[in-house]
Amino acid sequence: GQQLNQSPQSMFIQEGEDVSMNCTSSSIFNTWLWYKQDPGEGPVLLIALYKAGELTSNGRLTAQFGITRKDSFLNISASIPSDVGIYFCAGQASDYKLSFGAGTTVTVRA
Amino acid sequence: DVKVTQSSRYLVKRTGEKVFLECVQDMDHENMFWYRQDPGLGLRLIYFSYDVKMKEKGDIPEGYSVSREKKERFSLILESASTNQTSMYLCASSLLRGPASGANVLTFGAGSRLTVL
Repeated sequence: GQQLNQSPQSMFIQEGEDVSMNCTSSSIFNTWLWYKQDPGEGPVLLIALYKAGELTSNGRLTAQFGITRKDSFLNISASIPSDVGIYFCAGQASDYKLSFGAGTTVTVRA
Repeated sequence: DVKVTQSSRYLVKRTGEKVFLECVQDMDHENMFWYRQDPGLGLRLIYFSYDVKMKEKGDIPEGYSVSREKKERFSLILESASTNQTSMYLCASSLLRGPASGANVLTFGAGSRLTVL
């Protein structure tokens, strides 16, 4: 599968900040997924998006499925220390296979 | 909740050893997957299976094989481990392959961190 372009590669958060990350692809996807991976654990699904233009929230997290079906973004509002980890986007094409981004590593600013 | 269990969380093996990584899921999912995770490279698909005794190569199958004798169990095998196979290995499963919303969403295990010396 293709690798998606996920940015930024890493970011530092300060408690209370809003942060944003996004994924782009050269191909059209039917589904966009956002996962979070805590240190030493496997990725856990945060949000699933199934329609172009869809905007979905899960607590302080909001994600959108881009209109072109080639991009998605994830926002975290009012970040807290437990938001640290690696966030992955994944896109599902018409063959039902998932392609993953390289991940955005979120750490706390000292 | 779907559980995907990887029996070995941490392994240390020597070059040339045969390594088995076991994965079991308990929710009757049709599909199972093995990924490798390396810093800066994200998740790369090694092998996957859509049915018992069925397997398909992913993006990086070289040096690996798999076995799926039962629906709930998917094993990754390194016939002769090499140092460049030091990595985090993630097993995942999904309900089925098809257009239904959520059918293809992956549930991951906690990972198996393999070090080859």
